[in-house]
Amino acid sequence: NAGVTQTPKFQVLKTGQSMTLQCAQDMNHNSMYWYRQDPGMGLRLIYYSASEGTTDKGEVPNGYNVSRLNKREFSLRLESAAPSQTSVYFCASSEFGGQVVYGYTFGSGTRLTVV
Amino acid sequence: AQSVTQLGSHVSVSEGALVLLRCNYSSSVPPYLFWYVQYPNQGLQLLLKYTSAATLVKGINGFEAEFKKSETSFHLTKPSAHMSDAAEYFCAVRVYSGSARQLTFGSGTQLTVLP
Repeated sequence: NAGVTQTPKFQVLKTGQSMTLQCAQDMNHNSMYWYRQDPGMGLRLIYYSASEGTTDKGEVPNGYNVSRLNKREFSLRLESAAPSQTSVYFCASSEFGGQVVYGYTFGSGTRLTVV
Repeated sequence: AQSVTQLGSHVSVSEGALVLLRCNYSSSVPPYLFWYVQYPNQGLQLLLKYTSAATLVKGINGFEAEFKKSETSFHLTKPSAHMSDAAEYFCAVRVYSGSARQLTFGSGTQLTVLP
């Protein structure tokens, strides 16, 4: 099925380890986003990429880096994982441009635990 | 700044009863508003969206929402709850920040449907 694919689905890291969360979309969307979801806090934007070649910080960027590898792929890297980064991470994509408003298409999430 | 507030982090209804999930928005410009649903261990799915056309918006699975500017509200309703409606629901508003159009989410409402 067309959509947003995230890998891995589950991951356990030790404090200080690094890892990269992968995200790919096949809908030819211009914009891509990384959110984290924590209980009672909804979804908070970590980083986004309005179009290929651009990335910007969101609400909670500290401790993360991103790479927009091409139009399809947008990865999120944790350089030195901390227990506070235990969360569920969602990647999303959307169209961009014009006056038409689109929603987001979300991946199924990566559940990360840092011990 | 644009934001949404969801009133009630948990709502319980009996099967067959009316579902009412509350969302109020804050925006200095005409807002674009969305409702998403998240089933356990899944990503978010778009239920419906308001983009300044009709104020009563119909979505999937029998849900609808009415945009009320005078009350700055966009409440989600369904006339008769089904067991399959049990999920977490998020209201979101589209904001303009930097080079992208982003979604800012409320903190979510967990809907429980009682037999």
